[in-house]
Amino acid sequence: GDSVTQMEGPVTLSEEAFLTINCTYTATGYPSLFWYVQYPGEGLQLLLKATKADDKGSNKGFEATYRKETTSFHLEKGSVQVSDSAVYFCASNQAGTALIFGKGTTLSVSS
Amino acid sequence: ETGVTQTPRHLVMGMTNKKSLKCEQHLGHNAMYWYKQSAKKPLELMFVYSLEERVENNSVPSRFSPECPNSSHLFLHLHTLQPEDSALYLCASSREGQNTGELFFGEGSRLTVL
Repeated sequence: GDSVTQMEGPVTLSEEAFLTINCTYTATGYPSLFWYVQYPGEGLQLLLKATKADDKGSNKGFEATYRKETTSFHLEKGSVQVSDSAVYFCASNQAGTALIFGKGTTLSVSS
Repeated sequence: ETGVTQTPRHLVMGMTNKKSLKCEQHLGHNAMYWYKQSAKKPLELMFVYSLEERVENNSVPSRFSPECPNSSHLFLHLHTLQPEDSALYLCASSREGQNTGELFFGEGSRLTVL
């Protein structure tokens, strides 16, 4: 069945460092791809999404590009801030099916 | 203020207790979900309701019983739980009906089973 795999955390960075969180998916068709973020003590919220190959989702300085050839949707940010400390979830879904989440990657940014 | 509100935020119960979790969405959505979030595991979809009708149940034990009286409210009734049921229970809603990727989550109810 469909699945999502993301890099194990935690990821620990200094402020203004470059961030990459890897995510790959397996799917029989062409899913939509998502990154959700969960700040401490809160529920998940959608960060960005891409619905077809080569689409780039972006929000709050974060970006991810839907790569069909490598079945990947890696999350990147050029300069992280302390306020970006959170758990990041990669997810995929095909029309008519439930959203499938990865295990989450914890990001900790220090000043 | 989030558009999806969950109560209580924290709950401690014994294995013989009966309790309920409540979720209310103020977004005009027509699908609602319960997820279980445990440490080191992917989020587990438990139940999906679309237009107040249950459309998905991922083999959840019968000690969890959902109820959706209208499109704005969702409950999760709990009875005779096990310690391994301790987790964060997240409610979510979506605009376009079941199984879309854009979900709006509540802050969760942290459940501890003693």
